[in-house]
Amino acid sequence: AQSVAQPEDQVNVAEGNPLTVKCTYSVSGNPYLFWYVQYPNRGLQFLLKYITGDNLVKGSYGFEAEFNKSQTSFHLKKPSALVSDSALYFCAVRSSYSGAGSYQLTFGKGTKLSVIP
Amino acid sequence: NAGVTQTPKFQVLKTGQSMTLQCAQDMNHEYMSWYRQDPGMGLRLIHYSVGAGITDQGEVPNGYNVSRSTTEDFPLRLLSAAPSQTSVYFCASSRDSYYEQYFGPGTRLTVT
Repeated sequence: AQSVAQPEDQVNVAEGNPLTVKCTYSVSGNPYLFWYVQYPNRGLQFLLKYITGDNLVKGSYGFEAEFNKSQTSFHLKKPSALVSDSALYFCAVRSSYSGAGSYQLTFGKGTKLSVIP
Repeated sequence: NAGVTQTPKFQVLKTGQSMTLQCAQDMNHEYMSWYRQDPGMGLRLIHYSVGAGITDQGEVPNGYNVSRSTTEDFPLRLLSAAPSQTSVYFCASSRDSYYEQYFGPGTRLTVT
């Protein structure tokens, strides 16, 4: 069974400092990896994804993520945090396999990011 | 282009009642899914569909039914509501499961 771990329930960072939100995964075959963000009382919004290719993926709002196959990680990063980045962040994974049962996207429990002015 | 729409936004049910949560998308997406979001649990997949006429169970399907008679609509039916089904429900759609998903605004359901 595939799974995602987000080891930190909450991350606090000062405005202007770099931020990292951690994600590790377990999946059969090669992974398809995603990051989503949720603002209060809203649905989730897509930030970025890794399917294949460069290990460093760039996404929306200045976010990027680094895929590390040996560590089965896909950490989300941003060089300089903004107060408006404060939100709930979710990592998700599915397998590259095709066929019945393989189309499910599994989400982590989420990490609450607070950027302090 | 409305994206993914969900109705109702809020609903209160009594234990044992049934209801249908509506979800529609106007992006001609083949893949649609239903999730529930509970505090500390993240999003858990209830059911999903890879196209009209094709549905499958996710991680937490018990107590829920779905059907996909058209590409646009993917309703979620609660057969006999229980307090454990109190949650926020999100519908999502995408071109395929390895493309980014577009989420609806959610339905907050309370079962008393």
